[in-house]
Amino acid sequence: DTEVTQTPKHLVMGMTNKKSLKCEQHMGHRAMYWYKQKAKKPPELMFVYSYEKLSINESVPSRFSPECPNSSLLNLHLHALQPEDSALYLCASRSGPNRGEKLFFGSGTQLSVL
Amino acid sequence: AQSVTQLGSHVSVSEGALVLLRCNYSSSVPPYLFWYVQYPNQGLQLLLKYTTGATLVKGINGFEAEFKKSETSFHLTKPSAHMSDAAEYFCAVRTGSTLTFGKGTMLLVSP
Repeated sequence: DTEVTQTPKHLVMGMTNKKSLKCEQHMGHRAMYWYKQKAKKPPELMFVYSYEKLSINESVPSRFSPECPNSSLLNLHLHALQPEDSALYLCASRSGPNRGEKLFFGSGTQLSVL
Repeated sequence: AQSVTQLGSHVSVSEGALVLLRCNYSSSVPPYLFWYVQYPNQGLQLLLKYTTGATLVKGINGFEAEFKKSETSFHLTKPSAHMSDAAEYFCAVRTGSTLTFGKGTMLLVSP
């Protein structure tokens, strides 16, 4: 299994809603990432988890709350989002040093905030 | 700090023509460099990467890139474009435990 699976693929939510994005990988990778990508822009790093601990938070607003329940799962909890948070949210995992430390990306969740 | 600059937000080629996408890097340490491709509404797929060793790197789908330290470049090439190559291409440099991406180049392929 060489995939990073993200669900849902599409999500529409109101500004008062609470929703969660899910990411799963079974490649044994111990580093997992959340990126945000606006249309026609490069991905921007949001969070990095290493060995299930948050290692990088790129000053992301608290309405985005990451969670890493185990080494295979990564969640992003969303609450009170703004329309400008509409974007493609990408999850990635990184292989270890003996596998070239490559990032593998999921297909993303296209989020629309109304 | 490491960064990459992609020259040209759009590149147009005819099917069968040479593809050349330009990337220049800035790094105070030997860089790890990557090219990713992104199709519409998809995630990013790794095309190839350079870490150390051979400066000409071959990737998937017939793409290759050459690391040129003297020019601080890592341009992506493909001898003959296919319609299926039309996509957004991102150059990236490893920055600590993550990647810093260039702004991307949209490759347009016409029949």
